[in-house]
Amino acid sequence: DSGVTQTPKHLITATGQRVTLRCSPRSGDLSVYWYQQSLDQGLQFLIHYYNGEERAKGNILERFSAQQFPDLHSELNLSSLELGDSALYFCATGQGGSSEQYFGPGTRLTVT
Amino acid sequence: EDKVVQSPLSLVVHEGDTVTLNCSYEVTNFRSLLWYKQEKKAPTFLFMLTSSGIEKKSGRLSSILDKKELFSILNITATQTGDSAVYLCAVEPPYLMRFGAGTRLTVKP
Repeated sequence: DSGVTQTPKHLITATGQRVTLRCSPRSGDLSVYWYQQSLDQGLQFLIHYYNGEERAKGNILERFSAQQFPDLHSELNLSSLELGDSALYFCATGQGGSSEQYFGPGTRLTVT
Repeated sequence: EDKVVQSPLSLVVHEGDTVTLNCSYEVTNFRSLLWYKQEKKAPTFLFMLTSSGIEKKSGRLSSILDKKELFSILNITATQTGDSAVYLCAVEPPYLMRFGAGTRLTVKP
């Protein structure tokens, strides 16, 4: 158990819908990274927040957005969902700077 | 564009064998290279390497970084079936992470 929690564990929704994934970091971790992992794409970096501020964007679609709140938890919002958005979404947290990241258990999103 | 390439993509060995996994990278403003092990769940952290030539070791696993030649290797000695997993290499330019496709290691009894 990494100490990072993600909810929900599983999510099944229809195309066109909007969902929110939640990540609670380990105590003391200021950085939150979001990743998407699908079978054909591997682990893709989406976005990084540090202490409430966005630090970097990766392969994140315009339909996706994220934020980190004052209590340091983070949410990833996915809207206008498409079948291709079905994937495992991980958050990983760390102390920031050049430090190891600890992954949450992931949210498996299925879009039908 | 930043690139992380792992080889081989897949490897099958028998218990007791020693394996070497490779990770080469091209990235702007390199900060660190990390190795993760992923079984049927979230990746778990193995090593973080920032300096060339300094070996990191944890039990039967070890890793080293060559910043001149832009690669790292992960060695696993006396492999066990529990080592079967996908091993991921990630490189950190500032603020983001680039993962390789991973090496799928299968250890047969």
